[in-house]
Amino acid sequence: QVTLKESGPGILQPSQTLSLTCTFSGFSLSTYGMGVGWIRQPSGKGLEWLANIWWDDDKYYNPSLKNRLTISKDTSNNQAFLKITNVDTADTATYYCARIVTTVMDAWGQGASVTVSS
Amino acid sequence: DIQMTQSPASLSASLEEIVTITCQASQDIGNYLSWYQQKPGKSPQLLIHSATSLADGVPSRFSGSRSGTQYSLKINRLQVEDTGIYYCLQHYSAWTFGGGTKLELK
Repeated sequence: QVTLKESGPGILQPSQTLSLTCTFSGFSLSTYGMGVGWIRQPSGKGLEWLANIWWDDDKYYNPSLKNRLTISKDTSNNQAFLKITNVDTADTATYYCARIVTTVMDAWGQGASVTVSS
Repeated sequence: DIQMTQSPASLSASLEEIVTITCQASQDIGNYLSWYQQKPGKSPQLLIHSATSLADGVPSRFSGSRSGTQYSLKINRLQVEDTGIYYCLQHYSAWTFGGGTKLELK
């Protein structure tokens, strides 16, 4: 059974760096073709893809946010990470991580709510 | 960047009705198109991948099709549990979601 769970700070202040962790089970990020993606969703709005990391450590970012995003992984501990620098209120959202199998995002975590507020 | 124009933005349909949602890609994305359903307060669930392939455990009343750069999700015989918001996702290049379609029962 594949499970993913996101964790984060809950609330942070503008200009800080948001650090998110995705802890997963049921698959390995060292397996060929496997990846983890990050997606966010402001309350009441649509989905926005942020970044992907692949089994071979290849990384892809949303061009509109690329300068602020860093994705990484810890294969041994079945975790993936996302950092967003210099946050502001527009970064307030629910953040999801999802498993990717040969480009198909087939399993999602429950989401972690993040609020940016002074 | 590839844009995905999803329509309609909202839709009200009756039980047992046939429903179609479309996504228009701004350029060729091949079959790198998935469809998701999201219920309130829940994470999205995969319905269709590779434009036409039904995901495991998804009822056969859901189907996907492609005509050039236009992709469609069809729900045959709409059921109560099919209400929610539907999104397409292109995963060909710099992935992008469609804007979503809110499906309600009439």
